[in-house]
Amino acid sequence: QSALAQPASVSGSPGQSITISCTGTSGDIGSYPYVSWYQQHPGKAPRLMIYDVTNRPSGVSDRFSGSKSGTTASLTISGLQAEDEADYYCGSFTTSSTLIFGGGTMLTVL
Amino acid sequence: EVQVVQSGAEVKKPGESLKISCKASGYTFNTRWIGWVRQMPGKGLEWMGVIFPGDSDTRYSPSFQGQVTISADKSITTAYLQWTSLKASDTAMYYCATHIPGSGGWNFEHWGQGTLLTVSS
Repeated sequence: QSALAQPASVSGSPGQSITISCTGTSGDIGSYPYVSWYQQHPGKAPRLMIYDVTNRPSGVSDRFSGSKSGTTASLTISGLQAEDEADYYCGSFTTSSTLIFGGGTMLTVL
Repeated sequence: EVQVVQSGAEVKKPGESLKISCKASGYTFNTRWIGWVRQMPGKGLEWMGVIFPGDSDTRYSPSFQGQVTISADKSITTAYLQWTSLKASDTAMYYCATHIPGSGGWNFEHWGQGTLLTVSS
């Protein structure tokens, strides 16, 4: 099964909003409301930012939000801050009961 | 507070066997799935599989089925990832993480620090 499709990179200025897309198929994103997003800073373990499309774990800023339409999910970061600069990965539950990740998006804060 | 601590970096030769560990604490170990994720150098995340320590129910990604074994020892609240014959292509960072109970799909909230495996002759 191929990885979910994410843009290789996105950028934005402090204070702006950015959106990262994640495109899948009817075998993953299109079948379940189970999309997650992870943030990973260089040399660090991933951090869960969004799960089940829209839910934020305790401690995650409400500047991070998620959505889904059809086979595409999105992560929006509002009020961009320097500390948001990181790699972001989407993930989706699949019809095979596995988890598939996207290829990752590098966010640059200009 | 949930804590997940992994075993240290390993340097192995092709053909050797290895078992790395993931000790979880701060919650009832039997009640949460634990997953393993691979990250090859400079690459993205790959889901390898999960185990439910309560009954040892284990699920594997098709990409890793037969290549690794996931296990857990409830008595010491530790999960394991094991290889019987390492290859150079197994060189990667390996993370374990705990799943959010009651959530849908696979959602990993608490992560270990990672175990770096280098396989080289």
